[in-house]
Amino acid sequence: SQTIHQWPATLVQPVGSPLSLECTVEGTSNPNLYWYRQAAGRGLQLLFYSVGIGQISSEVPQNLSASRPQDRQFILSSKKLLLSDSGFYLCAWTDRGWTEAFFGQGTRLTVV
Amino acid sequence: AQSVAQPEDQVNVAEGNPLTVKCTYSVSGNPYLFWYVQYPNRGLQFLLKYITGDNLVKGSYGFEAEFNKSQTSFHLKKPSALVSDSALYFCAVRANYGGSQGNLIFGKGTKLSVKP
Repeated sequence: SQTIHQWPATLVQPVGSPLSLECTVEGTSNPNLYWYRQAAGRGLQLLFYSVGIGQISSEVPQNLSASRPQDRQFILSSKKLLLSDSGFYLCAWTDRGWTEAFFGQGTRLTVV
Repeated sequence: AQSVAQPEDQVNVAEGNPLTVKCTYSVSGNPYLFWYVQYPNRGLQFLLKYITGDNLVKGSYGFEAEFNKSQTSFHLKKPSALVSDSALYFCAVRANYGGSQGNLIFGKGTKLSVKP
């Protein structure tokens, strides 16, 4: 069966420090991969999505970047964190038919 | 524009009573509609989806949703609420045109509170 792993679960980082969040998917190949941010425990904002290795689409301009070095690995990064980067980050994948999205357990990022 | 609206920030229900969480959508063509549930500090869990077929869709944990094309709605329902149903519920529609084609568009979420 397919599983999605996201880590770390929580992270506290100082302003100006770098960020790297990792997401991996098992049990499937060629998934579409997504990074969402959820602010204040409510709405979900799509940050990046990827339909293949090295293919990244950004939905909103920001201080973050994403990379997909392997088929089932999706990384969210920042060179210098801002206070406004705090939030709950969720990784998700869908199959090529986009029939359903599966989410990781999320990373709570607090920038101090 | 493609969008999803959840008009209620919060729904309060007594345990054992029926519950409804409302969702309306705006998308051209035939919509793919989803409901997800989120417990505190956790990822989203899939509840049910409508792609085609019967307008009444049954999902996990006793939830169901009714697709109404004329009203562009996809309300989530449960005949008898449980305290453990208390969580944040998201309605989503799959974008079917434009640069984000295929991506899920989420509503802002509705907090369901079930009191004993």
